[in-house]
Amino acid sequence: ETVMTQSPATLSVSPGERATLSCRASQSVGSNLAWYQQKPGQAPRLLIYGASTRATGIPDRFSGSGSGTEFTLTISSLQSEDFALYYCQQYKNWYTFGQGTNLEIK
Amino acid sequence: QVQLVQSGAEVKNPGASVKISCKASGYTFSNYYMHWVRQAPGQGLEWLGIINPSGDKRSYAQNLQGRVTVTRDTSTSTLYMELSSLTSEDTAVYYCAREIATGSGSYAYWGQGTLVTVSS
Repeated sequence: ETVMTQSPATLSVSPGERATLSCRASQSVGSNLAWYQQKPGQAPRLLIYGASTRATGIPDRFSGSGSGTEFTLTISSLQSEDFALYYCQQYKNWYTFGQGTNLEIK
Repeated sequence: QVQLVQSGAEVKNPGASVKISCKASGYTFSNYYMHWVRQAPGQGLEWLGIINPSGDKRSYAQNLQGRVTVTRDTSTSTLYMELSSLTSEDTAVYYCAREIATGSGSYAYWGQGTLVTVSS
């Protein structure tokens, strides 16, 4: 099984600042990596797929990078609505998710 | 627009089975792989299984092999997930999800979730 490890578990950032979230795979997943945002009581929302392609309707302040085993989600200027849980998911070797990063207001 | 509408919350006794439905609309149901994902209270996301567009091929998470069955009915555009021999560890919100494109593996569309509570 490909284990996905996200860091940090919690990230405290002020509105308007940049947030950088990391995701590491236990083996190469190529570019088969997605990022999701989840708010309380809601289903996850796809942000990024193919490691760097924004899904439809996702603001350009969200960007994804990386390949192989190291990936990053960057939110360039945090808005109030961006404070949420973020999950990475690999879909190269079946499907596994990271444990999540809680992005909270500093 | 694409919609996935799931059946309502369930409360089950340990050892029982549960069957959840997910009705799709707004696209050609038979063109896409479908998945089930669950989320235990306060926990992360866990992939459960996948079914191909024609419904004749399925794969499941190894830890659920033998307990989970995913099916689909193209005539009603409905996806199903049945989980048997329930324990308290199966208490979770269960989501159906559609890939962004056939074979892509990332989920652009999700159902609203179905809470399954296993308790005596």
